[in-house]
Amino acid sequence: EVQLLESGGGLVQPGGSLRLSCAASGFTFSTYAMSWVRQAPGKGLEWVSEISGSGGSTHYADSLKGRFTISRDNSRNTLYLQMDSLRAEDTAVYYCAKSGINSGYFCEFDNWGQGTLVTVSS
Amino acid sequence: QLVLTQSPSASASLGASVKLTCTLSSGHINYAIAWHQQQPERGPRYLMKLNSDGSHTKGDGIPDRFSGSSSGAERYLTISSLQSEDEADYYCQTWGTGLYSVVFGGGTKLTVL
Repeated sequence: EVQLLESGGGLVQPGGSLRLSCAASGFTFSTYAMSWVRQAPGKGLEWVSEISGSGGSTHYADSLKGRFTISRDNSRNTLYLQMDSLRAEDTAVYYCAKSGINSGYFCEFDNWGQGTLVTVSS
Repeated sequence: QLVLTQSPSASASLGASVKLTCTLSSGHINYAIAWHQQQPERGPRYLMKLNSDGSHTKGDGIPDRFSGSSSGAERYLTISSLQSEDEADYYCQTWGTGLYSVVFGGGTKLTVL
């Protein structure tokens, strides 16, 4: 059974940094691209970033303007999101999601975590 | 620009059927999409991948009551024999392999009466 467990959320001041983690199990982590998706309170889903299975390719939503960095450690089956220069509008639940195609890149998400809440406020 | 459009809300009675629509932007009408369900206070759940020809592949454990179909730029999710637990937000998702981006529709909030 695929399991994705996010952690690292919390309260941070504007301009601060936070690193989210997503621990994966139940599949061969290194062969699947992974993504981060966020959901602001009362709003819809917004794609944040995707990383290939090897970690060699990364892409981001244009709105992030280089403030976030996605990475992965395939030896630890863990996905990360480093968030810098945080703003109030980054307040959201952050989900990790697994791509649905082995060795695929940019395709459907076939498994989701339960999310971790990030609150940016002074 | 790759855009998905969904109606904000829908409603249907317990035991009835409902058909939700996701519309692809002009120039992208052959794209596949995925449907996801998000029950209140929970993370999203993958329902199915739906191709432009109407063929679809459902996620593990998704009941037969959920089915997909396509017509032109429209992608549909039909839920039959509605149950109370089907009351949720439903999102469509697509992706642009060459565009290196993922797009979600705004979501449809389904109320089961």
